[in-house]
Amino acid sequence: DAGVIQSPRHEVTEMGQEVTLRCKPISGHDYLFWYRQTMMRGLELLIYFNNNVPIDDSGMPEDRFSAKMPNASFSTLKIQPSEPRDSAVYFCASSRRTDHTGELFFGEGSRLTVL
Amino acid sequence: AQSVSQHNHHVILSEAASLELGCNYSYGGTVNLFWYVQYPGQHLQLLLKYFSGDPLVKGIKGFEAEFIKSKFSFNLRKPSVQWSDTAEYFCAVGRNSGNTPLVFGKGTRLSVIA
Repeated sequence: DAGVIQSPRHEVTEMGQEVTLRCKPISGHDYLFWYRQTMMRGLELLIYFNNNVPIDDSGMPEDRFSAKMPNASFSTLKIQPSEPRDSAVYFCASSRRTDHTGELFFGEGSRLTVL
Repeated sequence: AQSVSQHNHHVILSEAASLELGCNYSYGGTVNLFWYVQYPGQHLQLLLKYFSGDPLVKGIKGFEAEFIKSKFSFNLRKPSVQWSDTAEYFCAVGRNSGNTPLVFGKGTRLSVIA
């Protein structure tokens, strides 16, 4: 089975530019999560979806961040405009509602550098 | 709200030394517990998990963890580390329903030196 697929793996952009990160969850998984990892804050949950519906976006840092899940196999995390402090690794993860352990399966991550 | 504490930020060990990484959580209900490992430049991968049964859980690569309910702890152990165990280790806790996000600790970086 294919795992969680994220793109791009690396992105370098200039401050003020729009950034779009993409995620394809594992087929059959009902939950999708976006995490951000930095040295200072560790792994932070930004937002998560259940059956394509955003459930909790309280971790989204500011209005510059937005996330969508138009269908069960695709989600985007957008930053507009980007700032240097957004530099981090962004991970997407998915899980199955019927798996009561709540185990997460992570993608390879998207490393974002904002200059 | 749930929280997870990992006591050690960075641990440095020589090869063949024994490892124990601490993890404590704050949640009074029934929990599922996880250890994830992140090798340099890679994504998080499941090392082991506990959700019921024997509180001593064995995972991949010789790792094990013990759930002590009275202490709200789920410490990770390995009797003899190898250089290839150099990685960051994350403890995570979820409610038993499985329908709420896992809460992660800040991670412990393990460096194994020859």
